[in-house]
Amino acid sequence: AQSVTQLGSHVSVSEGALVLLRCNYSSSVPPYLFWYVQYPNQGLQLLLKYTSAATLVKGINGFEAEFKKSETSFHLTKPSAHMSDAAEYFCAVSLSGSARQLTFGSGTQLTVLP
Amino acid sequence: GAVVSQHPSRVICKSGTSVKIECRSLDFQATTMFWYRQFPKQSLMLMATSNEGSKATYEQGVEKDKFLINHASLTLSTLTVTSAHPEDSSFYICSASGPLNEQFFGPGTRLTVL
Repeated sequence: AQSVTQLGSHVSVSEGALVLLRCNYSSSVPPYLFWYVQYPNQGLQLLLKYTSAATLVKGINGFEAEFKKSETSFHLTKPSAHMSDAAEYFCAVSLSGSARQLTFGSGTQLTVLP
Repeated sequence: GAVVSQHPSRVICKSGTSVKIECRSLDFQATTMFWYRQFPKQSLMLMATSNEGSKATYEQGVEKDKFLINHASLTLSTLTVTSAHPEDSSFYICSASGPLNEQFFGPGTRLTVL
C-alpha cells in the first residue's frame, strides 16, 4: 500500500518569497508522484508529475519538485511566490505508472501575503 | 488539454430527494471515470471507479445503493445521490482517464442538502 504525508496544512509566504510545500511518501515499490493545485470551488489541475525519469521535475506556473528516494520526499518549490499561487495543493502517489489509482495527501493551503 | 465538465456546479435540495450529477469528457473518450468526495478543508476521497458499460467499483464504506453511478458512454458518467440527507452535503469531483491513463478533473459540484 502507498501513502502520502503533507507536512503543514497551512503555509504562508510573502509575495516574491520562496515557496516550499513538503510531501513525503511511503511505497513498497518505486512510486509515481504528482502535485495538483485546487483553486476555490474548482477541480484539481495537474502541476507536475514524476514518472521515474529525471528526478527534478518542472511543471507549470514556475513550480518544480525534486524526487529524493533517500528521503522519500517530493517537495514542491517555486522561487518567487505570486499572489495568484494562493490555493490548495495536493501531493498524490500512484503505483501503477499512471494516474488511474491515485492516493492523495491531506493538502496544504498556501497563502501569499502582499 | 483535456477538458472535463460537471453539471450542475451547485445544487441545493431538500432532504429525502435524489440528485443527479453529470460528468462529461468534452474532447476525449474516457474509458474510466472516477468519483471523489471532498469535505471542507480535507483531501479527496475516492468513492468509486466506473468503466464504460460495466458496473462501478465502490470503495470500502461507500454505499452503492445510495450513490448510484452510471457510465453509459465513453464521454458521460452520472452520480445519483439517492434519498439525500444533510450529511451527504459535500463537494463531489469527477475525473476522467483517457488513453494515456492520466486523470483529468472536473470543476466539482457543491451539494447542499437542507
